Amino acid sequence: GAVVSQHPSRVICKSGTSVKIECRSLDFQATTMFWYRQFPKKSLMLMATSNEGSKATYEQGVEKDKFLINHASLTLSTLTVTSAHPEDSSFYICSARDSGPYEQYFGPGTRLTVT
Amino acid sequence: AQSVTQLDSHVSVSEGTPVLLRCNYSSSYSPSLFWYVQHPNKGLQLLLKYTSAATLVKGINGFEAEFKKSETSFHLTKPSAHMSDAAEYFCVVSPPAGSASKIIFGSGTRLSIRP
Repeated sequence: GAVVSQHPSRVICKSGTSVKIECRSLDFQATTMFWYRQFPKKSLMLMATSNEGSKATYEQGVEKDKFLINHASLTLSTLTVTSAHPEDSSFYICSARDSGPYEQYFGPGTRLTVT
Repeated sequence: AQSVTQLDSHVSVSEGTPVLLRCNYSSSYSPSLFWYVQHPNKGLQLLLKYTSAATLVKGINGFEAEFKKSETSFHLTKPSAHMSDAAEYFCVVSPPAGSASKIIFGSGTRLSIRP
């Protein structure tokens, strides 16, 4: 099946700094990518949907200036957590979907810890 | 509108006994349904999917699920549990291709396996 990678798998950063997470579709072109956040022992919460070449659509309650999403190519989307705070610590998962079958392929996730 | 309900937040079975994880959905159209498994600190792995073909779907690792339209259910089963099956399981409902609706995640069921 289709493969989606995320980098880094784990990152620790200091409060106030910014961190970028990459999501890549390795063997298909992802017309749409999704970013999720998962709190401990909880389900995935959709943060935003991004289509290649256009602005991301954020879910209600998600600060677009804090969680910057760029989907500049059909194989790469990035999530930048700006001015990170300890409450931003979480597990972030991306997924990608091509224009064909309506299935999302999930990345392995990135564990962000803000100290 | 669509929704998905996982009826049990936690299921515990003995190794070698059957597994049943329950999922009910609500959808105004014919949905695609998925089961994903997530091991600790890992991404989501697709177990199986239903996309309007055969109602009994076989997946990986001996899991299967049956789509029952009359009961709006898509329960996940396995005849004999293995210790490695201990994980979090998510039932997901997806709209048809071209729909503006988003996929919906269930709240998850944690499966524990007793030796």
